[in-house]
Amino acid sequence: GAGVSQSPSNKVTEKGKDVELRCDPISGHTALYWYRQSLGQGLEFLIYFQGNSAPDKSGLPSDRFSAERTGGSVSTLTIQRTQQEDSAVYLCASSSFRPYEQYFGPGTRLTVT
Amino acid sequence: SQELEQSPQSLIVQEGKNLTINCTSSKTLYGLYWYKQKYGEGLIFLMMLQKGGEEKSHEKITAKLDEKKQQSSLHITASQPSHAGIYLCGADILPGTYKYIFGTGTRLKVLA
Repeated sequence: GAGVSQSPSNKVTEKGKDVELRCDPISGHTALYWYRQSLGQGLEFLIYFQGNSAPDKSGLPSDRFSAERTGGSVSTLTIQRTQQEDSAVYLCASSSFRPYEQYFGPGTRLTVT
Repeated sequence: SQELEQSPQSLIVQEGKNLTINCTSSKTLYGLYWYKQKYGEGLIFLMMLQKGGEEKSHEKITAKLDEKKQQSSLHITASQPSHAGIYLCGADILPGTYKYIFGTGTRLKVLA
């Protein structure tokens, strides 16, 4: 079946603009994650959604970052008033309850100029 | 906070050589995952290890989890250029929480 998809694949935006990144998880997967990968850095956890439970937002770096998951499926990560340090690859992953391995999307490369 | 340390950070080997990548934690790991990432692409799941002493193989890649479940190694036999990429270990540090941590990755280059 189809894997995790993300859009756009690349996004260039000016400092101060808002951006929205989209993730379509694998159908039926209850858990959805957002990560950020900066150049030379490992994966930084941002947020995860599990079913209808309240999301774990503990990894969001500032209040400029927010995420929603509608209908337990598609998720949108929004970054307001983007800064140059927000430039990174944003990866989305989904997983089923069992097994625990996550399936990653190809990522969105965000460049803030 | 708990971290996963990977070593080496980068590795260049001649095609046909064997190599090992390590992933170490200071605390017990409840699930250890290995992923591969090619430049500009997402992560591809390789293997999951959960039991102390567990070992799994896929083609020429073997991963082991030590008995204490604090260290894992990924071994590639007779490396090929197709093995090149970034290898990441990830861990489920609290059972059932779905919250993972990841190592910083090992960048592997295989010279033809």
